[in-house]
Amino acid sequence: KQEVTQIPAALSVPEGENLVLNCSFTDSAIYNLQWFRQDPGKGLTSLLLIQSSQREQTSGRLNASLDKSSGRSTLYIAASQPGDSATYLCAVKDGNNRLAFGKGNQVVVIP
Amino acid sequence: DTAVSQTPKYLVTQMGNDKSIKCEQNLGHDTMYWYKQDSKKFLKIMFSYNNKELIINETVPNRFSPKSPDKAHLNLHINSLELGDSAVYFCASSQEPGAVEKLFFGSGTQLSVL
Repeated sequence: KQEVTQIPAALSVPEGENLVLNCSFTDSAIYNLQWFRQDPGKGLTSLLLIQSSQREQTSGRLNASLDKSSGRSTLYIAASQPGDSATYLCAVKDGNNRLAFGKGNQVVVIP
Repeated sequence: DTAVSQTPKYLVTQMGNDKSIKCEQNLGHDTMYWYKQDSKKFLKIMFSYNNKELIINETVPNRFSPKSPDKAHLNLHINSLELGDSAVYFCASSQEPGAVEKLFFGSGTQLSVL
């Protein structure tokens, strides 16, 4: 059974600092990995999707890397802004079309 | 225009009642899902439908019955509600199962069973 762990569970950074969020998974046989953002009382928004054959994806200030063999992904957010405050969830998809989610990294960017 | 919309946003009810949550997507997607997020914030899949057919049914009590009248709708009916059913329920959709699939989520229904 796939288990997804996200560390740290919560972090606060001053505005302008770079954010590094970590995700690890136990079964490397994945189809893809997605990073989502969840704001309080709202649904999830997909930020980046990395296919199992890819090493990284970039979108604006966001960069996500994937090391399938070691079961790790990292989400980098450059020059953080208060609007980046949210919970970031990592999810891996297996061959049975199931997504396994981590508990999330709760981020607060302090102005 | 909301891509994936679910109603109601909040649902407060007594134990033993029957309730339904509705979900609609206007993205033209083939696949829809129901996820449950418990108090510990874990998101777990409950059901998945592809073109109105059930393709994933996790170990969910049979008090939960999904219904997909057409590709754009996936409703969730819950019988004999229990305290442990209190959670946030999210509907989601995607174009088709696959490696490049992106999920689009609704804003959630917070269910409180008293």
